[in-house]
This record gives sequence, C-alpha cells and structure tokens, in this order.
Amino acid sequence: DAGVIQSPRHEVTEMGQEVTLRCKPISGHNSLFWYRQTMMRGLELLIYFNNNVPIDDSGMPEDRFSAKMPNASFSTLKIQPSEPRDSAVYFCASAGTGVEQYFGPGTRLTVT
Amino acid sequence: KQEVTQIPAALSVPEGENLVLNCSFTDSAIYNLQWFRQDPGKGLTSLLLIQSSQREQTSGRLNASLDKSSGRSTLYIAASQPGDSATYLCAVPMDSSYKLIFGSGTRLLVRP
Repeated sequence: DAGVIQSPRHEVTEMGQEVTLRCKPISGHNSLFWYRQTMMRGLELLIYFNNNVPIDDSGMPEDRFSAKMPNASFSTLKIQPSEPRDSAVYFCASAGTGVEQYFGPGTRLTVT
Repeated sequence: KQEVTQIPAALSVPEGENLVLNCSFTDSAIYNLQWFRQDPGKGLTSLLLIQSSQREQTSGRLNASLDKSSGRSTLYIAASQPGDSATYLCAVPMDSSYKLIFGSGTRLLVRP
C-alpha cells in the first residue's frame, strides 16, 4: 500500500489567495483526520471524518477553513482567504477498524 | 480536559546508550496510548500502540509501558543508534473517539 498520500508537499502563496490541500487515505480506511502542526501549538486536530461524514470540526479555527470528503478515497482542506498565520504543516491521517492512525507526509504551507 | 506532557523536551545521548522518554496525561480514563516518531520535514510514523488493558508493548529495541493509575507512559529505547535521532511524540484519544491529543514531543539526538 502506498500509505496516505498528500498533495502538494509544499505550497507557497500570497495572503488572500485560496489554498486547497488534498489527501488520499489508505484504501479501506473509513476514518480521516486533518491536523495542523506549528512550533507554537504543536499538533492540533482540525476535523475528523468517519465514512465520509464530518463528525467533529471543532478544531477548525475559522470560517475561512473548510473541509470536504466527497468519497472514501479523497478529501480536501481549503483555506479562503489565506493569511500569514495559517503557515504551518498540514497533515492528513487515516484509520481503519483499529484505532491506530497512519499519517501522510504533510503539506508545508507558507503564506506570505 | 486531557493534557499530555512530555519530558524532557530534548535529549542528547551517545550511541549505544539505553534511554527512557516520558509521557504523562492528566485524565487516566484513556482507551489507548500511541507513540509516534517524526523525522525532520516528514510525517509521523506510528511506533507502538498500547491498549488501556495492556501494561506494555515491545517492537524490536523499543518498549513502551503504560501505567494508567499514575497517568504515565514511558518509551524505552535500547542500545540507541544515530538513526534513532528524531522527535518522539505520545498521544491519547479524547474519550472513546479517535480524536488524539498530542504531547509536544521529545527531540532526541543520538551522537555517533
């Protein structure tokens, strides 16, 4: 299995632009998570999907952030408009019937 | 509210030394505890997962213990190698969900 796939790996954009991060979970996994990692706040859960349905989005910082999971093999995290304080590494993770989460390589976002 | 703390924040040891990383959590009603490794610029790799009913788990040179009553877990690394240099994070799920609460990590450097 290729593991969790994220794209792009690096994204540099200007403040105010829309940013879309993409994730392909491990095939057969029914849970998907988006995390954000910063030096100041560490790893934080943004949103959790189970069977393509958003279960908990309490970690989404603002209305500028939105996430979708149109099918079991694809999810997006969108920031519109982006701000410099959104600069971070964004991770996607998936889990199957067990509780162990498997993380993707992350997308390093820089907003100038 | 569950809080996860890892001590020390950074550790430097000579190659070959045995070492212990510590993780503590404030709410002992956990379902499991997971140890991850993160290499610079990379995603997280799951090392060990201990269920709440277990006292320890072993994988190669790694041994993780769990003491729920005292709110502690340790990750023991035997005969450390330079390739073990990375940041080690522990995480516990909030309630019975998949929502992981992460510690801030211990940055390990194994000197040749």
